[in-house]
Amino acid sequence: DAKTTQPTSMDCAEGRAANLPCNHSTISGNEYVYWYRQIHSQGPQYIIHGLKNNETNEMASLIITEDRKSSTLILPHATLRDTAVYYCIVRVASGTYKYIFGTGTRLKVLA
Amino acid sequence: KAGVTQTPRYLIKTRGQQVTLSCSPISGHRSVSWYQQTPGQGLQFLFEYFSETQRNKGNFPGRFSGRQFSNSRSEMNVSTLELGDSALYLCASSLEGQGLELFFGEGSRLTVL
Repeated sequence: DAKTTQPTSMDCAEGRAANLPCNHSTISGNEYVYWYRQIHSQGPQYIIHGLKNNETNEMASLIITEDRKSSTLILPHATLRDTAVYYCIVRVASGTYKYIFGTGTRLKVLA
Repeated sequence: KAGVTQTPRYLIKTRGQQVTLSCSPISGHRSVSWYQQTPGQGLQFLFEYFSETQRNKGNFPGRFSGRQFSNSRSEMNVSTLELGDSALYLCASSLEGQGLELFFGEGSRLTVL
């Protein structure tokens, strides 16, 4: 699985968009980008995933660059409940369910 | 629809003992994977089971083992506990097919004294 690089921490004002970057320069053509988040003392929660097109769901948007070497998770209107560690993972979307989690980005939403 | 259920939620053991943790996946999910989370190492993959077969294994010593039953419920066992085994053990289940979204339980927090 390709490695990812994320900033260690970020702050965001409540109500503003939170943009969380992720670098995955060694991503392969058949690897997807997945985002999970972990709120303190809970199990990680799936947010979104994509291959090369931008994706949007009720939680967030995922923007993947054309060369697929980086992506950005966007929380359009961050709330205090979005304070969590956000993990960006790249992996193939079939076969084994082994995920390699990095250290993630600790997002703090400020009132 | 019930989520992933892990038991027990908290437990305390002493060095040298063994522990068994249980995981009930979401109904219909046949894949169950286990992760260890510690402050120093983060989230690390332990193993994954599908249809009672171990499909993949992480880089952990043989003291860590698991199994899956015909109803997809899974157990993991750690023998000869060490202080460093203190961690949050997370179980995740998934529906086979495209997407591979993991649904995590709340975890079992193990403290080894």
